[in-house]
Amino acid sequence: AQKITQTQPGMFVQEKEAVTLDCTYDTSDQSYGLFWYKQPSSGEMIFLIYQGSYDEQNATEGRYSLNFQKARKSANLVISASQLGDSAMYFCAMRETLNTGNQFYFGTGTSLTVIP
Amino acid sequence: NAGVTQTPKFRVLKTGQSMTLLCAQDMNHEYMYWYRQDPGMGLRLIHYSVGEGTTAKGEVPDGYNVSRLKKQNFLLGLESAAPSQTSVYFCASSPPRQGAVTGEQYFGPGTRLTVT
Repeated sequence: AQKITQTQPGMFVQEKEAVTLDCTYDTSDQSYGLFWYKQPSSGEMIFLIYQGSYDEQNATEGRYSLNFQKARKSANLVISASQLGDSAMYFCAMRETLNTGNQFYFGTGTSLTVIP
Repeated sequence: NAGVTQTPKFRVLKTGQSMTLLCAQDMNHEYMYWYRQDPGMGLRLIHYSVGEGTTAKGEVPDGYNVSRLKKQNFLLGLESAAPSQTSVYFCASSPPRQGAVTGEQYFGPGTRLTVT
C-alpha cells in the first residue's frame, strides 16, 4: 500500500487565487511528521511546511498552510494568493518515528502551474 | 555552511562501469538518505543511515551499495551500472524529529546520471 498518495498529477491556478494540493497518508505509527516540499524546474528540493501528528493546530508558513485532518489521514497544502514563482512540483512526505526507523516516504508529486 | 553537497553533478557511464557518488553534510545530522527521482515516480529511497557506521535498505536498494564511515559523508556506489539506473540522485540529511525540532530533510542539489 502506498504510504503517501497525491492524486493530482497536475493543477492549474490563476495568479492571486488560492489552490489546494491534496495529500493522504497511511500509517499505524502514533508519532509522525508530515512535510511539503517544492521542486522548481531548477531541480532543488525546498522545504515548505511541517505538521506534527500531535499538533492540534494547522501549520502555517507565510502563504502556505497545511490543512491537517488526522481522522481522515489527510494533509493538504493550501497556497494562498498564488504567484508565478509558485509554478513547480510539490511533494508531500511523511516521516514515521517508530515503525520504520525514521524513513521518509514521498508521494509522486503534483505539478502546479500558475497562469497569469 | 555549505549544507548538503553532492559530487559529481553530472555523469555519463557505459553499461557495466562502476562509480561512487559522494554526499557530504556539515550540519552534524545523524540521518542521511539516498533517493532516486524518475519522472512520475516521485522520490524513492535507495538506502539510508541512522548514524555513523550504520546503513539500511530502502525501497529500491538493488544494484546499489552504500557506506557511512564518517558521520558527515554518505557514499552511494554502483558496481555495474545498468541503463535502468539512469536517474537523478538526491542525497539528504536530517536531525531527529523531537521536541521543537521538526526533523525535515535538507537536500543536496542532485546528481544527474545517464547510463548508456
